[in-house]
Formats: sequence, structure tokens, C-alpha cells
Amino acid sequence: AQSVTQPDIHITVSEGASLELRCNYSYGATPYLFWYVQSPGQGLQLLLKYFSGDTLVQGIKGFEAEFKRSQSSFNLRKPSVHWSDAAEYFCAVGAGGGSYIPTFGRGTSLIVHP
Amino acid sequence: DTAVSQTPKYLVTQMGNDKSIKCEQNLGHDTMYWYKQDSKKFLKIMFSYNNKELIINETVPNRFSPKSPDKAHLNLHINSLELGDSAVYFCASSQDSNIQYFGAGTRLSVL
Repeated sequence: AQSVTQPDIHITVSEGASLELRCNYSYGATPYLFWYVQSPGQGLQLLLKYFSGDTLVQGIKGFEAEFKRSQSSFNLRKPSVHWSDAAEYFCAVGAGGGSYIPTFGRGTSLIVHP
Repeated sequence: DTAVSQTPKYLVTQMGNDKSIKCEQNLGHDTMYWYKQDSKKFLKIMFSYNNKELIINETVPNRFSPKSPDKAHLNLHINSLELGDSAVYFCASSQDSNIQYFGAGTRLSVL
């Protein structure tokens, strides 16, 4: 069975500081990996995805993530956080095929101090 | 144009009532989903439909009944609402890449 662990429930950073959100997964084959962001009162929006190829993937809003197979991790990073990045972040693992259901982590709430 | 739209955005109702939430996607996707997000933000899959046919039905009370009149619509009907049904319900759709496109959510409050 596949699973996703986001070990940090809350992360607090100062505006302008760097950010790393952790995600570990369990999956039997090469996974499809996703990061989604949920702003207050909104649905989830895809930030970035990894299917294959280059293990460092770039996403929207200046985010990037690195797939490390040896560590079963897919951590999300941003070099300089903006106040508008305050949101809930979800890591997910899935597989190919349109009807396959991805498994979501419990989410990490990002708080940004001015 | 909103890709995945669901209505209503807010729903406040009494225990025991029956209510419906509607969802429409204009992305041409074959697969649609309903998720429930609890107060701790945990996202749980409830149902998945592919081309109007039910393919996933997780452990959900049978008071919840999805209906898909066509592949662009997946509505959720809830009978005999209970306090524990209070949550945010998200509709989503996807195609081959498995990327989920979410609606803005329906916040259901059962009093």
C-alpha cells in the first residue's frame, strides 16, 4: 500500500527566509509525486509534479522539489518566502492512469511572519 | 472560466435534512472525484467516477450517494445529515496524468 508522511504539521518562517517542507513516501514502484497548495478558503492547486527524468523539478510561484529515491523523499523548497505563500501544503503520491487515486499526506501549514 | 465548479460554496442545515452538492468540470476529463476534508485538513477520498461509472467507493456511509448524469457532472447527495458530516467537500477531476484539478470546495455545517 502506498502512503505519504509529512512530518511537520506547522512550519513558521520569516518573510524572505528560505523554506523546506518535508515529504516521505512509500510506494512499490516508481511513483508519481505531487505537491499541492491550498490557500485559505480555496481548493487545492498543483504546484509541481515529478513523473520521471530530472529529479529536480520546478513549479509555479518559485517552488521546486527534489526527488530522492534513496531517501524516499520529495521535499519542497523555496529560496525566499513571501507573505502570500502562507497556506496549507499537501504532498501526494500516485501512479499512471487517469483513474488512479493519489494518496495525500496530512498537510503542512505554513505560517509566514513579516 | 472556472475549470471545476461546485455549488453551493456554503451550506448550513439542520440534522436530519437531505442536501445535494453539485459539481461540473469543463476540462473534458473522464474521471471525477469527491473528497472530504475534515477540520484538521485531512483529505479523504470518498468516490471516484470514470466516464459516469463508479470505480472507487471508499468506506462512506450509504447516506452519501453520488450521481453522474454525464461525464462532466458529478453530484453528491447526502441523506439524513449528521453532525459528523460537517466538513469541506471537494470535487476534483483528472485525466491520464493523474493530476487532480480541484473545485473551490463546499463548506457544510450541520447544526
